[in-house]
Amino acid sequence: QKEVEQDPGPLSVPEGAIVSLNCTYSNSAFQYFMWYRQYSRKGPELLMYTYSSGNKEDGRFTAQVDKSSKYISLFIRDSQPSDSATYLCAMSEIIQGAQKLVFGQGTRLTINP
Amino acid sequence: NAGVTQTPKFRVLKTGQSMTLLCAQDMNHEYMYWYRQDPGMGLRLIHYSVGEGTTAKGEVPDGYNVSRLKKQNFLLGLESAAPSQTSVYFCASSKPLAGGNNEQFFGPGTRLTVL
Repeated sequence: QKEVEQDPGPLSVPEGAIVSLNCTYSNSAFQYFMWYRQYSRKGPELLMYTYSSGNKEDGRFTAQVDKSSKYISLFIRDSQPSDSATYLCAMSEIIQGAQKLVFGQGTRLTINP
Repeated sequence: NAGVTQTPKFRVLKTGQSMTLLCAQDMNHEYMYWYRQDPGMGLRLIHYSVGEGTTAKGEVPDGYNVSRLKKQNFLLGLESAAPSQTSVYFCASSKPLAGGNNEQFFGPGTRLTVL
């Protein structure tokens, strides 16, 4: 069983739809929970991160963490074609002060105009 | 600032050949990382470094070596390339953790094909 599981999709939705992306994990030692966005043939970019259970909102994006269920989500409201990308969840352990990230498989999202 | 840069962008190798991938960052970050990304696997950590002159193994270190002789550079070496090492390689860097998430900044990637 992988430490982090993410539905790879692909997921295709019309512009303006609400998108829900999810990951589950098995390691209780994970401390930070992140979502990275990766455009085609580019490196990942940090979109949002959370430390504790609960919700964090940034514009059209909301990250949700439920540590008791070991489940994290990313919601995108009013989705735009520019949101089309692969979304990777990532979780971290701290080793020697360095953040060891464990990534999900990534979900490829397409927003259709 | 250029951020994190990687050289080369593309490379095709034959089985058994060797090569070195170069990562450079101009953000004065202490920590640097090498990942590989394969379809359906996400990114997996190969090696990482917490400072100049130090390196450590990640999740999938076999077949790779690394060196961090200068703070701004992190080299990834393949001594004898195998087809299983066909992948996209990403380098990342970050500052030390200081009461918050130490965001990793990624380079644009190197696409390596081993025939």
